Amino acid sequence: DAKTTQPTSMDCAEGRAANLPCNHSTISGNEYVYWYRQIHSQGPQYIIHGLKNNETNEMASLIITEDRKSSTLILPHATLRDTAVYYCIAYYNQGGKLIFGQGTELSVKP
Amino acid sequence: ETGVTQTPRHLVMGMTNKKSLKCEQHLGHNAMYWYKQSAKKPLELMFVYSLEERVENNSVPSRFSPECPNSSHLFLHLHTLQPEDSALYLCASSQDRGQLYGYTFGSGTRLTVV
Repeated sequence: DAKTTQPTSMDCAEGRAANLPCNHSTISGNEYVYWYRQIHSQGPQYIIHGLKNNETNEMASLIITEDRKSSTLILPHATLRDTAVYYCIAYYNQGGKLIFGQGTELSVKP
Repeated sequence: ETGVTQTPRHLVMGMTNKKSLKCEQHLGHNAMYWYKQSAKKPLELMFVYSLEERVENNSVPSRFSPECPNSSHLFLHLHTLQPEDSALYLCASSQDRGQLYGYTFGSGTRLTVV
């Protein structure tokens, strides 16, 4: 599974878009990009995933560069409840293991 | 509520005690996992069960003993733990071991070893 690199922490103003970057320059063609988040002392929560195309769901949007070496998770209107650690994971679906890195600690401020 | 239930939510145990953590899912998932999360560290995968068979043990000390009696239940039996085993223990499940839409996690058991 490819290694991902994320900033350690980010701040975002409430109501603004939060853009969380992730670098996965060694990702292979069959690895998906998954995003999870973990609110303090809770289990991680699935947000979104994608392979090549940009994806959107009710929680967030995922923008993947054409070369697939990086991606950005976008929370369009961040709220205080979005304060959490966000994990970007390159995951090979066929028998792969979900391995978490350090993630980005996002603080949404009033 | 995520569909994966862990009990107890909090546990304090002495180093000579024996206790068990329980995980239950009724999502129809075939794979279940134990993760450990120590303070300020990433989640560490401990055990993987697929169709009630242990398929992975990531060099976990023998004082941690998993059990999967059926596809809906997963236990982690604990004995003679050390203070450094204090952590958040998370259970997760997925449709199959290599499946598309990710895992569902429980809320975890906060374990303190004294």
